[in-house]
Amino acid sequence: SQQGEEDPQALSIQEGENATMNCSYKTSINNLQWYRQNSGRGLVHLILIRSNEREKHSGRLRVTLDTSKKSSSLLITASRAADTASYFCATDAGSNSGYALNFGKGTSLLVTP
Amino acid sequence: DTGVSQNPRHKITKRGQNVTFRCDPISEHNRLYWYRQTLGQGPEFLTYFQNEAQLEKSRLLSDRFSAERPKGSFSTLEIQRTEQGDSAMYLCATEDNEQFFGPGTRLTVL
Repeated sequence: SQQGEEDPQALSIQEGENATMNCSYKTSINNLQWYRQNSGRGLVHLILIRSNEREKHSGRLRVTLDTSKKSSSLLITASRAADTASYFCATDAGSNSGYALNFGKGTSLLVTP
Repeated sequence: DTGVSQNPRHKITKRGQNVTFRCDPISEHNRLYWYRQTLGQGPEFLTYFQNEAQLEKSRLLSDRFSAERPKGSFSTLEIQRTEQGDSAMYLCATEDNEQFFGPGTRLTVL
């Protein structure tokens, strides 16, 4: 079963706008990661945030984590058409489960020129 | 290119046939994972290796599925007596703090 749920399921914005995607999960986590997947292609790792971190930045990406609410958000600033993809959050429970990732169903982002 | 390769990239087979997929990991990564992804869903964990030892299997991995990682290097995933419900993208990942995914093998069972 999927651990996480992304919200919204689909998002359409114009180039230059910011895109915010949310992820909620059910059980305690070790790390939370965000991945991007272009149509029919493999998953690309974007950013990892540890359970004791609250915010992390990488280029145009900003991730927050609220473990009390079991939720995370991914903000993409100044979006580009090339950001069009599906975005997944994935959690792991640590060494007890071999760091296997539990993915949500993803948010499909469309950035139009 | 993440450094993880998978072969074949596409496989079309008839129901009831056996198929085998291969994953070549990043050489220094000890942990290797297999996931399955169906259309509109996120990847779902199937199984995990630490070196050559298969340490965990998901309940999704029925008796028709078997995975190996001889010598702790490449890994194979075999599906016997394929069913139409096995049609999916099969992803391999290896880990060094973050998981690096291969491009996947897309299986279509007719």
